[in-house]
Amino acid sequence: EDQVTQSPEALRLQEGESSSLNCSYTVSGLRGLFWYRQDPGKGPEFLFTLYSAGEEKEKERLKATLTKKESFLHITAPKPEDSATYLCASQGGGSQGNLIFGKGTKLSVKP
Amino acid sequence: DTEVTQTPKHLVMGMTNKKSLKCEQHMGHRAMYWYKQKAKKPPELMFVYSYEKLSINESVPSRFSPECPNSSLLNLHLHALQPEDSALYLCASSRTGDPGNTIYFGEGSWLTVV
Repeated sequence: EDQVTQSPEALRLQEGESSSLNCSYTVSGLRGLFWYRQDPGKGPEFLFTLYSAGEEKEKERLKATLTKKESFLHITAPKPEDSATYLCASQGGGSQGNLIFGKGTKLSVKP
Repeated sequence: DTEVTQTPKHLVMGMTNKKSLKCEQHMGHRAMYWYKQKAKKPPELMFVYSYEKLSINESVPSRFSPECPNSSLLNLHLHALQPEDSALYLCASSRTGDPGNTIYFGEGSWLTVV
């Protein structure tokens, strides 16, 4: 069964303290690994799509990487505005539209 | 800002009411989705429309009725809902329904059933 597990569930950082969020996945025939940011009361905001092991993508203070079993979201020198829940989702070859989501990591960045 | 627009942002309805949620996208996407998200849970897929045809219904109760009038619009008709149906309803779209296409979400419609 396809599954996505995110850790930690919650992460508290001081402003400027870099860290990484983990997403472990098992999926038949990975077609995409997606990262979203979700603020309270709002819909998920797309961040990155990764397709194959070794792929990396960056956007401002965020960098996403992918291996055959895991994806990491690295946050460099975070700011309070980076506080949000970060969702990881996978999609396999037979799953039209059905993103398999992890439970998310709630990130809090204190000034 | 998301290019998937949902209305209304908030809706309160009684269990005997009939209401609709509306969604619009102008990205030329040919797949549109309805997801449901309960508090502190990830989104769950309800329906998928591909080229204006319903392609996936994830065993959703018939009190939820989707409609896709054209490739840019998606509606969710609500009737005789239960309090446990209160949630954030998310519309989303992607270039096509093929796996691997990035799915973009709207801001959501908060539904409260009283």
